[in-house]
Amino acid sequence: DTAVSQTPKYLVTQMGNDKSIKCEQNLGHDTMYWYKQDSKKFLKIMFSYNNKELIINETVPNRFSPKSPDKAHLNLHINSLELGDSAVYFCASSQWNNNEQFFGPGTRLTVL
Amino acid sequence: QQQVKQSPQSLIVQKGGISIINCAYENTAFDYFPWYQQFPGKGPALLIAIRPDVSEKKEGRFTISFNKSAKQFSLHIMDSQPGDSATYFCAASMSLGGGATNKLIFGTGTLLAVQP
Repeated sequence: DTAVSQTPKYLVTQMGNDKSIKCEQNLGHDTMYWYKQDSKKFLKIMFSYNNKELIINETVPNRFSPKSPDKAHLNLHINSLELGDSAVYFCASSQWNNNEQFFGPGTRLTVL
Repeated sequence: QQQVKQSPQSLIVQKGGISIINCAYENTAFDYFPWYQQFPGKGPALLIAIRPDVSEKKEGRFTISFNKSAKQFSLHIMDSQPGDSATYFCAASMSLGGGATNKLIFGTGTLLAVQP
């Protein structure tokens, strides 16, 4: 039943490690997003994909690399994790031509 | 120009009262203004949204008021209930050519506490 799902829900790792977060949506949408929510709860767009093509890249460090194997999936790989990467990462999806974005439950990343 | 300013940062309302959260924007190209509700440990959930061709939209106890000339919009929660206690975010986005879906620019959030 879950519309937008993310795994894992929690991720605790050491500085310098590489980690991935996975996102899947079963809403039939063709556009997916990654947002970052910092410790002050500020939400900011990172990436957007439409039909597996990168549409938005908001000056995110190169250590972050999104990958969309198909329209229903958008993964986020992070290399060489830094303390400042600690945040909650949300995946979202929508239909092209429709601004309504549906968010996943989030992945809380803690870098020690 | 890309910012959306939200106030207040936090709000305490008595059960049954009216909660009002305000947002202001600068970019007149914005044409979609949603409000999201976020409970602790959950993702933001779309509550209600408005486009600038109308001045008000109501869904149940939730109403958006939109003032295009002032570049402001607000969320009113009537008959506020303890279950409404959450963080509320306003947002804005603009349509690109070709109907492209756009990033949401979020306000800074308002933590609402409804006291029983």
